[in-house]
Amino acid sequence: QKEVEQNSGPLSVPEGAIASLNCTYSDRGSQSFFWYRQYSGKSPELIMFIYSNGDKEDGRFTAQLNKASQYVSLLIRDSQPSDSATYLCAVNTNQAGTALIFGKGTTLSVSS
Amino acid sequence: DVKVTQSSRYLVKRTGEKVFLECVQDMDHENMFWYRQDPGLGLRLIYFSYDVKMKEKGDIPEGYSVSREKKERFSLILESASTNQTSMYLCASRGDRGLIEAFFGQGTRLTVV
Repeated sequence: QKEVEQNSGPLSVPEGAIASLNCTYSDRGSQSFFWYRQYSGKSPELIMFIYSNGDKEDGRFTAQLNKASQYVSLLIRDSQPSDSATYLCAVNTNQAGTALIFGKGTTLSVSS
Repeated sequence: DVKVTQSSRYLVKRTGEKVFLECVQDMDHENMFWYRQDPGLGLRLIYFSYDVKMKEKGDIPEGYSVSREKKERFSLILESASTNQTSMYLCASRGDRGLIEAFFGQGTRLTVV
């Protein structure tokens, strides 16, 4: 089993708020975890990746990983209308070899 | 910059046609992937390849085949197109060292009529 689960949303937050996006995965042997952003009609683009338990920060974005709970999250601080997009969680699982398995994505809407 | 280029942005084909979707990457990546993306279903892995002439089935390989004769090129083949294969097709590549994230092409919107 190599499922990656996300809430589809939409998640609506006001401008300047913190947006919290969550992802769970079923393969306990998963090695690496990625967050992609996809604007409507465009291809996914990488925001962050994380391998180790804990937090990883990059500008307004923080990825959090808890392998014991099989849980990865993305926090977006000071959300902007330009952050409105679909956010895809992707996992490199042992069962999938070199492939990334994607969740269905969470749609984020940031209102000004 | 990593470039993954898909041969067509939009395609319209008839039911029963044999369809080729081409993808080329310029980063000498070992791994290449084909996904399809449908509303409510997300990105689903069709096939992937970790080396020339090597291929692995993904989650939804039925009705598709692939070819990787050269490292930089990965083709997706619809042997006999059907209307349920109308979708957005995304090619991606990924290295084994250094930058290990997957880079995507611009996508091909295929409509089968």
